Amino acid sequence: QSALTQPASVSGSPGQSITISCTGTSSDFGSYNLVSWYQQHPGKAPKLMIYEGSKRPSGVSNRFSGPKSGNTASLTISGLQAEDEADYYCCSYAGSSTLVFGGGTKLTVL
Amino acid sequence: QLQLQESGPGLVKPSETLSLTCTVSGDSITSSSSYWGWIRQPPGKGLEWIGSIYYSGNTYYNPSLRSRVTISVDTSKNQFSLKLSSVTAADTAVYYCARMTRSGWEFDCWGQGTLVTVSS
Repeated sequence: QSALTQPASVSGSPGQSITISCTGTSSDFGSYNLVSWYQQHPGKAPKLMIYEGSKRPSGVSNRFSGPKSGNTASLTISGLQAEDEADYYCCSYAGSSTLVFGGGTKLTVL
Repeated sequence: QLQLQESGPGLVKPSETLSLTCTVSGDSITSSSSYWGWIRQPPGKGLEWIGSIYYSGNTYYNPSLRSRVTISVDTSKNQFSLKLSSVTAADTAVYYCARMTRSGWEFDCWGQGTLVTVSS
């Protein structure tokens, strides 16, 4: 069970949009749409931002969206703000009652 | 308001067993809509799912750790626990407990995490 593949880092200026990709195999994503995304600020616990591929928990800004296509999931953040600077992790149900995380992406707001 | 709190030794010797407990408040661990899970994060590295449990005792483990992991639940105390045997320095990490939904397998509430260092 290998980690899902994410870019190590992405960056953007305030107000811009960025997209973080999360690539797996058919055995990771399969026919499921059970991809979640987490935001983690330094020294803090992760926070759920997107679940079941594209749903937002209550309280999460609609600037965060998460489409999935085939074996690639994406997290898009629009209207980038300084507070969005953090590490982001994707996670997917991988069949056989297992989960797999991505390696994480560091987002820098320039 | 749901809260999870990890507790246990912050230092474990190599080859010994790491033991942590997560105390849940603000929700019942017997909720039919929830699993309860453990995730770890080595210093400066990414997240790794360790395993999850349902209040009935059904467990689900990361295949790479399955041979060393035991997760159990104590419904009378609203707690669940992690045991990781034969630890090495590679098991040094921040260990998080979290609530996981049964419907989507996402972790919607996390504990603050506890650092466990494996060293003699």
